[in-house]
Amino acid sequence: QKEVEQNSGPLSVPEGAIASLNCTYSDRGSQSFFWYRQYSGKSPELIMSIYSNGDKEDGRFTAQLNKASQYVSLLIRDSQPSDSATYLCAVMKTSYDKVIFGPGTSLSVIP
Amino acid sequence: DTAVSQTPKYLVTQMGNDKSIKCEQNLGHDTMYWYKQDSKKFLKIMFSYNNKELIINETVPNRFSPKSPDKAHLNLHINSLELGDSAVYFCASCNLAGRSSSYNEQFFGPGTRLTVL
Repeated sequence: QKEVEQNSGPLSVPEGAIASLNCTYSDRGSQSFFWYRQYSGKSPELIMSIYSNGDKEDGRFTAQLNKASQYVSLLIRDSQPSDSATYLCAVMKTSYDKVIFGPGTSLSVIP
Repeated sequence: DTAVSQTPKYLVTQMGNDKSIKCEQNLGHDTMYWYKQDSKKFLKIMFSYNNKELIINETVPNRFSPKSPDKAHLNLHINSLELGDSAVYFCASCNLAGRSSSYNEQFFGPGTRLTVL
């Protein structure tokens, strides 16, 4: 079982729709969870971090964490063509452990 | 004004050569990282330094040697370059010691695209 898994996509949604990105992780002791966005040819850019079960909202983005199910998701409301990118889920066990990245989900928002 | 910077941005070299990549951060962070992103876009940790001390050393060939002269700098030297070393290398930094809302959040440099011919 891979440590962090994501649907590879590509995920295509129409402009204005909600994009839902999912991630599962294998280490039940993981404590910190991150979503990064990476445009083609660019570096990963942090969108959200979440540490507790439940939802965390920031503008059009909502991260959801369920530690019992070992599942973290990212919802993008009112998707825009500029949201088209690869979204990387990342998981960290403790502060001094490595961050493990998932393979990424490619999102395409169609105008 | 750049938070995490890397030089060079592109590096094209022949097999067998030795090359270095440099990274600097002006965020005041205590921890820096090297990542490798291969052609399949998979991002994998290589090394991490916390306050100049090596804390993460993944299974990486010993041809790769990191060096952190101070908290703001982390360099990567690669000996005897091989074709398989071709990738994008990202430097990142974060604060592990803090308890602010942004602790553990890593900020990435622009990357160095290494091509070995």
